[in-house]
Amino acid sequence: DAGITQSPRYKITETGRQVTLMCHQTWSHSYMFWYRQDLGHGLRLIYYSAAADITDKGEVPDGYVVSRSKTENFPLTLESATRSQTSVYFCASSEPSGGPYEQYFGPGTRLTVT
Amino acid sequence: DQQVKQNSPSLSVQEGRISILNCDYTNSMFDYFLWYKKYPAEGPTFLISISSIKDKNEDGRFTVFLNKSAKHLSLHIVPSQPGDSAVYFCAASEDFGNEKLTFGTGTRLTIIP
Repeated sequence: DAGITQSPRYKITETGRQVTLMCHQTWSHSYMFWYRQDLGHGLRLIYYSAAADITDKGEVPDGYVVSRSKTENFPLTLESATRSQTSVYFCASSEPSGGPYEQYFGPGTRLTVT
Repeated sequence: DQQVKQNSPSLSVQEGRISILNCDYTNSMFDYFLWYKKYPAEGPTFLISISSIKDKNEDGRFTVFLNKSAKHLSLHIVPSQPGDSAVYFCAASEDFGNEKLTFGTGTRLTIIP
């Protein structure tokens, strides 16, 4: 499928478990991003990547790990899930073009930590 | 510290009337602003943007206004249609070439038929 996809779409896990959220884009965009959406906080940036093997922290990186060995994939790992990480997670991608900084979002993964 | 604020969590507007969504920011380094629209169970989609060198940008029924001195932007939708019911996020970017966006908390717009 063309575009940006996320898997799984829904996930329930227990506190302390490791869980990985997958993100795949077919546009060969340089930049990829992970956000979480929480009521009252909007979208907050967790991590982003400017290219393969280049990643950087966003606003709320604690408890998360990312990697980007291939341009098209940007997995997000919760090493030891906590209830506070219950959220909807969105992956996005963009390609620098001099503007308008438009990011393309995936459909989201709803994660519940029990 | 919320650098981009949308102080109205929700807004209801009659179909056919004008919808005005507001956004305030505190970071004077922001120089590019975007609005995204989000339907339930979907990712946000880009709607319209404006550079800090402009004070207005129009695209069909959607117009974004920027008041740099007040650090305020607004999105006008006219006429409002039922399909406009969604959550709207404003976002801002620092510096030319900086791909990072800072998002607001969102406003849920409901268009009443």
